Amino acid sequence: SQQGEEDPQALSIQEGENATMNCSYKTSINNLQWYRQNSGRGLVHLILIRSNEREKHSGRLRVTLDTSKKSSSLLITASRAADTASYFCATANPNSGYALNFGKGTSLLVTP
Amino acid sequence: NAGVTQTPKFQVLKTGQSMTLQCAQDMNHNSMYWYRQDPGMGLRLIYYSASEGTTDKGEVPNGYNVSRLNKREFSLRLESAAPSQTSVYFCASSEGAGFGNQPQHFGDGTRLSIL
Repeated sequence: SQQGEEDPQALSIQEGENATMNCSYKTSINNLQWYRQNSGRGLVHLILIRSNEREKHSGRLRVTLDTSKKSSSLLITASRAADTASYFCATANPNSGYALNFGKGTSLLVTP
Repeated sequence: NAGVTQTPKFQVLKTGQSMTLQCAQDMNHNSMYWYRQDPGMGLRLIYYSASEGTTDKGEVPNGYNVSRLNKREFSLRLESAAPSQTSVYFCASSEGAGFGNQPQHFGDGTRLSIL
């Protein structure tokens, strides 16, 4: 089942601009994860934020989590062309060996 | 380290044919997963193996079988392929402990077309 839903579905920006993607989920969680998928490749883990955390940083990435609204956001600062990819939020399902429930993703295009 | 290796990368089958998708990880992970990715649908769980010797159905298991051959290898079999199984298949692994607080590592996928 689709646990997370990303918004927007597609985003186009220029290099140097910031990109913000949002994710909403349905059930209570232990953590929320963000993944990146380059065209024709597998998913790569970016960052994990636990349910007791409100904000987390990793390099140019900033993730926030609001458990009261069941939502998260991913901010990529000073975007580069190499950031062009699809971005997915995911939550772990304890009823299926902590397999991930993914949203449909945000497709980010960064133009030079 | 290779991480998660999937073979083959591409495959075209005719309806009714069978095949096995192979997956191996070299990170000594306990849990392994098979997902399929269809346009506009995100990734959906087919089967998972929480630990060596166990397998369980996910969200979309119909038409598939799996084998956890050992701790490293987790294969997915299509017994009688159907056009609806045209998709990109991803294998993933994780340490499997700690209430899901570990990332999953993905292979680069198998692109499967059923004619």
